[in-house]
Amino acid sequence: SQTIHQWPATLVQPVGSPLSLECTVEGTSNPNLYWYRQAAGRGLQLLFYSVGIGQISSEVPQNLSASRPQDRQFILSSKKLLLSDSGFYLCAWSKSGADNEQFFGPGTRLTVL
Amino acid sequence: AQSVTQLGSHVSVSEGALVLLRCNYSSSVPPYLFWYVQYPNQGLQLLLKYTSAATLVKGINGFEAEFKKSETSFHLTKPSAHMSDAAEYFCAVRFYGGATNKLIFGTGTLLAVQP
Repeated sequence: SQTIHQWPATLVQPVGSPLSLECTVEGTSNPNLYWYRQAAGRGLQLLFYSVGIGQISSEVPQNLSASRPQDRQFILSSKKLLLSDSGFYLCAWSKSGADNEQFFGPGTRLTVL
Repeated sequence: AQSVTQLGSHVSVSEGALVLLRCNYSSSVPPYLFWYVQYPNQGLQLLLKYTSAATLVKGINGFEAEFKKSETSFHLTKPSAHMSDAAEYFCAVRFYGGATNKLIFGTGTLLAVQP
């Protein structure tokens, strides 16, 4: 069966510090991968998605970036965090195909102080 | 423009009462539709999905949803609410087109279940 991991589970960082969140998927190959942010009391905002190694599409302009160095690894980064980067970050994967659902990881709670 | 709307950001029901969470989409072509549930500080879990087969879809935990093309709706229901159903529910839609199955999520409905 497939599983998706995210770490760390929680993170408190000062403004201006760097960020690296990691997501890995097990039990499948060549998945589509996604990074979402969920701000308090709001829905999910798609930040990045990837259909293959090194292929990253950005959905919104921001000071975050994503990378996919391996088939089942997806990394979310920032060089300098802003207060507005606080939120709940969710990684998800799916098989290719229009009717395939996305499977979500447990999330990372990021607080920028 | 293609969009998805969840009416009611907060819904409160009594234990044992009917649960009805509303979702409408805007598209000229019926999309693929999904309902997810999120418990506090957790990821999203798929409840059910509609992919152009039966219009009445049964999911986990006793939930079901009916696709109504004429109303462009995909409302989520459960005949009898349990305390454990208290969570946030998201409707998501995948419209045709594009290279990936990107989903558009509604803003969510927080369900409270009163004893």
